[in-house]
Amino acid sequence: AQKITQTQPGMFVQEKEAVTLDCTYDTSDPSYGLFWYKQPSSGEMIFLIYQGSYDQQNATEGRYSLNFQKARKSANLVISASQLGDSAMYFCAMREHNSGGSNYKLTFGKGTLLTVNP
Amino acid sequence: ETGVTQSPTHLIKTRGQQVTLRCSSQSGHNTVSWYQQALGQGPQFIFQYYREEENGRGNFPPRFSGLQFPNYSSELNVNALELDDSALYLCASSLVGIPNYGYTFGSGTRLTVV
Repeated sequence: AQKITQTQPGMFVQEKEAVTLDCTYDTSDPSYGLFWYKQPSSGEMIFLIYQGSYDQQNATEGRYSLNFQKARKSANLVISASQLGDSAMYFCAMREHNSGGSNYKLTFGKGTLLTVNP
Repeated sequence: ETGVTQSPTHLIKTRGQQVTLRCSSQSGHNTVSWYQQALGQGPQFIFQYYREEENGRGNFPPRFSGLQFPNYSSELNVNALELDDSALYLCASSLVGIPNYGYTFGSGTRLTVV
């Protein structure tokens, strides 16, 4: 069974500084995808970044980058130059590709609450 | 392009009642999934629909059921509501067959069972 672990219930960072949110995963499937989502208090899950298990390079999307260490089964999110609007819950999620290729359920971690201080 | 819209945004029901939550998928998406997010937890997969049929289900009892319509909109039905069903219910749409394609989530329906 898939498992996502986020060990940081809460993190604090000063505005304009960088922060790393940790995520480790466990799966027996050689093909999988890793996602990070941001969830503000409004409830909507906002897609931030994606990393495929076969991707050779770490994913980047603007201020977001994913530090993918496949051997250690970790997929940490790095946010550079934090902004006050970055304050939210952050979830790491994994999608497994089944043999039929049609079930793409996401397994989420428990999340990390990031607070950006001015 | 429109995103995923869910209705209603908030709902209060009594234990034992039935509830129907609705979701309109993002234009062009052909699969819809439902997730339950209890307070302080990550979302848990309920089920996924593709071509109007359920093609994946999480660890939820049969009183959780769904429908997907030809226009890819969807409903989540919960019968015999229990207090533990109180949660944020999220709908997500995507495109099956494209491995790196992400999910677009709605803002959710917050269900309170009293």
